Amino acid sequence: GNSVTQMEGPVTLSEEAFLTINCTYTATGYPSLFWYVQYPGEGLQLLLKATKADDKGSNKGFEATYRKETTSFHLEKGSVQVSDSAVYFCALSDRNAGKSTFGDGTTLTVKP
Amino acid sequence: EAGVTQFPSHSVIEKGQTVTLRCDPISGHDNLYWYRRVMGKEIKFLLHFVKESKQDESGMPNNRFLAERTGGTYSTLKVQPAELEDSGVYFCASSQTGASNEKLFFGSGTQLSVL
Repeated sequence: GNSVTQMEGPVTLSEEAFLTINCTYTATGYPSLFWYVQYPGEGLQLLLKATKADDKGSNKGFEATYRKETTSFHLEKGSVQVSDSAVYFCALSDRNAGKSTFGDGTTLTVKP
Repeated sequence: EAGVTQFPSHSVIEKGQTVTLRCDPISGHDNLYWYRRVMGKEIKFLLHFVKESKQDESGMPNNRFLAERTGGTYSTLKVQPAELEDSGVYFCASSQTGASNEKLFFGSGTQLSVL
């Protein structure tokens, strides 16, 4: 079956530091890949997505590239801000199934 | 436009009691999903409605869980009787049908605590 493995947290960084959150997946076929973010007290929001190999998703300074050869979709940001403190979830969706498989989530805390 | 709303935001009940969670999807979204996150682990799929029909309920843990979506609008998830291991955050999500049906819009979740 499908599975998503995320870098274990929590992650604590200073403002303006570089962020990487690793995500690898196992899936049959050609899934779409997603990063969701959950800010404190809110629901999950789609941060970015990629639908095929070598696609790069980007939003709010975050980027992730769909790497089929390494089955990875690592999230990166060059300079984090305090407002980026949240829980980040990597996920995949099998187009045929119409449902998503999520990772455990990684809690990011950015300190001023 | 209103987003996905869930009620209640928090529920604390005793083992053996019944709890009903409600989800109102975004208007016009045919797809409605229930997920839950237990013990801070991964978010797990529970079931998927297309309009009022259950498309996939493979993630429902056991027959103590009953989901309905009368009229294809809002949905309820009832747990009866609740057990300690049912504690967690229950998320609802909705999406449109068609090419963009993979973009999920999530509610804020219901934090369920079974004591």
